Amino acid sequence: KQEVTQIPAALSVPEGENLVLNCSFTDSAIYNLQWFRQDPGKGLTSLLLIQSSQREQTSGRLNASLDKSSGRSTLYIAASQPGDSATYLCAVNQAGTALIFGKGTTLSVSS
Amino acid sequence: EPEVTQTPSHQVTQMGQEVILRCVPISNHLYFYWYRQILGQKVEFLVSFYNNEISEKSEIFDDQFSVERPDGSNFTLKIRSTKLEDSAMYFCASNREASTAKNIQYFGAGTRLSVL
Repeated sequence: KQEVTQIPAALSVPEGENLVLNCSFTDSAIYNLQWFRQDPGKGLTSLLLIQSSQREQTSGRLNASLDKSSGRSTLYIAASQPGDSATYLCAVNQAGTALIFGKGTTLSVSS
Repeated sequence: EPEVTQTPSHQVTQMGQEVILRCVPISNHLYFYWYRQILGQKVEFLVSFYNNEISEKSEIFDDQFSVERPDGSNFTLKIRSTKLEDSAMYFCASNREASTAKNIQYFGAGTRLSVL
């Protein structure tokens, strides 16, 4: 059974720092991996999707990498801002339908 | 930009009552999903729906739950007799295709269900 783990559970950084969020999954047979952002009490906003054949995807200050064979993905956030404060969720898609989520990393960026 | 919309944003109900959560997926999408997130827990898959039938469901999705696409735009989740442990945020999602590596699931803002 696929398990998705995210570390750290929480992270506090000063504004301007570059940071890395980690996601690991137990079964490497995935279609893709998605990173989401969730603000308190709100829905999920898709940030990046990495297909199983890809190594990384970039969007603005965000860069996500995927090492399928080792079951790992990282989300790199450059020059963090207070507006980046949120919970970041990683989810894998195995058989084309259900997403399996990690518990998330709650990021706090102080000004 | 097209989005998935969910109503209501917050639903309060008494234990044992039936509730219907509503979703309007993105108009040209073909696959629809429900997920839930109990406070402080992971987002969990409930069910996926395609071509007017359930394509996959989790062990959480028991006989108390049902889904329906009553018309060309709405997608509903019904809980027949709510329990305290059904209190959670329920998310609807949709995408255009499922069985490819490129598909992105788009999520609504969620309905917070509180069972008293």
